[in-house]
Amino acid sequence: AQTVTQSQPEMSVQEAETVTLSCTYDTSENNYYLFWYKQPPSRQMILVIRQEAYKQQNATENRFSVNFQKAAKSFSLKISDSQLGDTAMYFCAFMKGSKLTFGKGITLSVRP
Amino acid sequence: KAGVTQTPRYLIKTRGQQVTLSCSPISGHRSVSWYQQTPGQGLQFLFEYFSETQRNKGNFPGRFSGRQFSNSRSEMNVSTLELGDSALYLCASGTSGGNLGTQYFGPGTRLLVL
Repeated sequence: AQTVTQSQPEMSVQEAETVTLSCTYDTSENNYYLFWYKQPPSRQMILVIRQEAYKQQNATENRFSVNFQKAAKSFSLKISDSQLGDTAMYFCAFMKGSKLTFGKGITLSVRP
Repeated sequence: KAGVTQTPRYLIKTRGQQVTLSCSPISGHRSVSWYQQTPGQGLQFLFEYFSETQRNKGNFPGRFSGRQFSNSRSEMNVSTLELGDSALYLCASGTSGGNLGTQYFGPGTRLLVL
C-alpha cells in the first residue's frame, strides 16, 4: 500500500516571498502520478500541479514548481512570489490506477 | 466546460437514516471517484466508477455504496447513518482513470449526522 507523508502541519510566508512545502511517499510501484492539490476555505479541491513519475523533468505551472526526486521518493512544491490567495490547505497526493492517496495536508498562511 | 457538480451541497440527517449524494462529472469524463474527508482521518478513497462499473473500492463498510449511470453521473448512498459519517464527501471526475487521468474535484457535499 502507498503512503504519503506531509510532516509539516502548517507554514507561514510573507507575501511576495518563496515557500517550499515538503512531501514524501512510499511505494514499490515504478509508474505513477503525483499531485499537489490546494483546498482554500471554500473547501473546493483545486489541482495545482501534476508530475508523471516517468518524467525526469520537474513540472512547473506559472508560480508553482516541484522538485521531484524519484529515488528519494520526495515531491516538494515551491511557490514563488506568494500571494494572499495562496492561503489554503495543500495536499500532496499519489495516484496509481484510479485511486488517489493523500497526505494529511499542510496549512499555508500568506501574510500581507 | 462546466466543472464537476455535486448536489446537495449541505445535508443534515439523523442516525439510522439513509442518504443519497449525487455527482455530475465534467462533460466527456467517464471516471467518477468518491472521497470522504474528515478532520481525524483526512481524505479517504471510497470507490471509483468507470463506464457504469465499480473499478476500485476503498476500505469502507458495505453501508457505503454507489452507482454510475450511462451518462456518467454517479450517486453515492450511505445507509443506516452513524455519527461518524459526518464528513465532507468529495466527488472527482477524470477522462479515463488509471494512469492517464488527472482527477478534478467538485465542491463537495457536507453531511452532518445528528
